[in-house]
Amino acid sequence: EPEVTQTPSHQVTQMGQEVILRCVPISNHLYFYWYRQILGQKVEFLVSFYNNEISEKSEIFDDQFSVERPDGSNFTLKIRSTKLEDSAMYFCASIPGTGGRGQETQYFGPGTRLLVL
Amino acid sequence: AQSVSQHNHHVILSEAASLELGCNYSYGGTVNLFWYVQYPGQHLQLLLKYFSGDPLVKGIKGFEAEFIKSKFSFNLRKPSVQWSDTAEYFCAVIGLGNTDKLIFGTGTRLQVFP
Repeated sequence: EPEVTQTPSHQVTQMGQEVILRCVPISNHLYFYWYRQILGQKVEFLVSFYNNEISEKSEIFDDQFSVERPDGSNFTLKIRSTKLEDSAMYFCASIPGTGGRGQETQYFGPGTRLLVL
Repeated sequence: AQSVSQHNHHVILSEAASLELGCNYSYGGTVNLFWYVQYPGQHLQLLLKYFSGDPLVKGIKGFEAEFIKSKFSFNLRKPSVQWSDTAEYFCAVIGLGNTDKLIFGTGTRLQVFP
């Protein structure tokens, strides 16, 4: 069964450094998402992306964050200047995009655990 | 604002015990409801979902959930748990409108002992 993959599985970085988290959504999927989970807290929506544009973003997704689909397979989340509070598990998800908005199951990747020191 | 509450943060059961995990949501309109499970070291995967129709939905591995609209609830049940059900369980909703973002509960960690 096709799966969403994410790399790296773990990343440690210094505060102020840029990080890029990578995701490969399921191949025929058209909508992509990033979520994050700070340790001990809820999984929170960050951003959704369709047709090379952000379709929705949360308050968390400020100017320090950006997303990109640099080629036909990858979907990336960039944090320009990491802060301690960016330490979290980051999940990518995708859907086929053939149903109505909100009508499809989101398929999640295994996550990238980011630790900012 | 939409929110999801899961009342049980950590549940410990013996094998063959029955399970019920509570989930309540807050949203004024129509919702789609989901339970996701995360086994140790694995990714979030869908256990079951409710979009419309019969409010009692059956999912994988013998799980079921009942949508009670009047109570804004979507509790997860399993009549007899197994050790392999040890995992974290997340309730999530999508408030239908011009959005497809999942709003998650805090999760319930289930430990099943043989």
